[in-house]
This record gives sequence, structure tokens and C-alpha cells, in this order.
Amino acid sequence: GAGVSQTPSNKVTEKGKYVELRCDPISGHTALYWYRQSLGQGPEFLIYFQGTGAADDSGLPNDRFFAVRPEGSVSTLKIQRTERGDSAVYLCASGNLDTQYFGPGTRLTVL
Amino acid sequence: KQEVTQIPAALSVPEGENLVLNCSFTDSAIYNLQWFRQDPGKGLTSLLLIQSSQREQTSGRLNASLDKSSGRSTLYIAASQPGDSATYLCAVKGGGSNYKLTFGKGTLLTVNP
Repeated sequence: GAGVSQTPSNKVTEKGKYVELRCDPISGHTALYWYRQSLGQGPEFLIYFQGTGAADDSGLPNDRFFAVRPEGSVSTLKIQRTERGDSAVYLCASGNLDTQYFGPGTRLTVL
Repeated sequence: KQEVTQIPAALSVPEGENLVLNCSFTDSAIYNLQWFRQDPGKGLTSLLLIQSSQREQTSGRLNASLDKSSGRSTLYIAASQPGDSATYLCAVKGGGSNYKLTFGKGTLLTVNP
């Protein structure tokens, strides 16, 4: 069956631009997570959705980051006024309380 | 705040060798611990999940142990193969959250033919 998919796989943008990263979870999974993985680091939690609502957004680094999941399926992570420090791989996962299934990630490069 | 440390950061071994990867965590109040594999440019693949009440889990050539009280886990790989080359990540769920994973930085394993 289809796993978690993320688009685009790579995104190069200029400092100050706005970007959107998309996550398509496994069908039927109500839980969705975003993590960010910087070079040489493990993934760090950003936000957790249960259904349509963000149950925990404590990992979002600042107010330039925002995520939505309007219909409880696809989620979009939005980053405003990108900075070079935002360059990382953004991972999405869906699943249940025990297991999270990860997508391949979007590699964001801010020039 | 939960912190996860993995040692060593990198490991290079000849094919066929048995090896151990280490993971330690600071807050022993965990729900479970998971070992993941990450290949370059790919997502994370779950290898083994150990619930807090369990001591170990096995899958094929992999065996993971958990000592919750001391905040330690090990991943044992038997008879390593070049295809095992990847980054291995340890993650714990807990510390007041039953959904958030806290990851270590990973161990980069290279198995040489």
C-alpha cells in the first residue's frame, strides 16, 4: 500500500521567500507529525495533529512557521520569510500512538 | 527535558562482524523506545519498537534491549552485511508526552565488504 508521501522532494528558495511543504499521510491515519532534521542531527519535533486540529505545536521554532490540516488528511507546513537557518530536511509522519510511519522528507535549501 | 545520546557517532566494520550501537536517555519515564534506520535521501524505517514494560525485541539479525531504570538501550546487529550500512537512530517516546518522539543524533554505520 501507499506510504506517506511528501512534495516536493527538494525545494531551493531564496532568503525571505515563502514556501509550502506538503504531506500526504497514509489513508485512515488520524495522527500526523512534522519533524525537522538539520545536517548531522536527529529529527526534532515540530507539530502534532490529531484529526484537523494541532494538538501540540510546541516545537515550531517561531511564528514564521505554521501548519494546517483542514480536512484531517493532507497537511501543509508553511514557512514565511525563510532564513538560511531554516535549511533542513522536513519529515512528515502519520500513524497511531505506538507507531509513526515516516515519509521521505522534503529537503529545503534557503540560499 | 528528555535528551537522547547515541554512541558512537560513526562506526566502520568489516563484513561479518557483530556490532553494538548504544543509546542513552535522561528521563526514564518513557512509553517506548524505537530504533530506526535512515538511508541517504530517504525517510526513516522503523526496525524495532520496545515498550517500556519489555526488556528486548528481536527481528532477524537485530536485537534491541532496554534497561529503563538506567536509561539505556543497545542495538545488536549480528553478522553485519554491506547492506546494513546506514544511519541508525534511537528515539524515545515519553517525558510527559505519549506521542512525541525525541531522537538521538544517530550512528553512521559503514560495513565494508
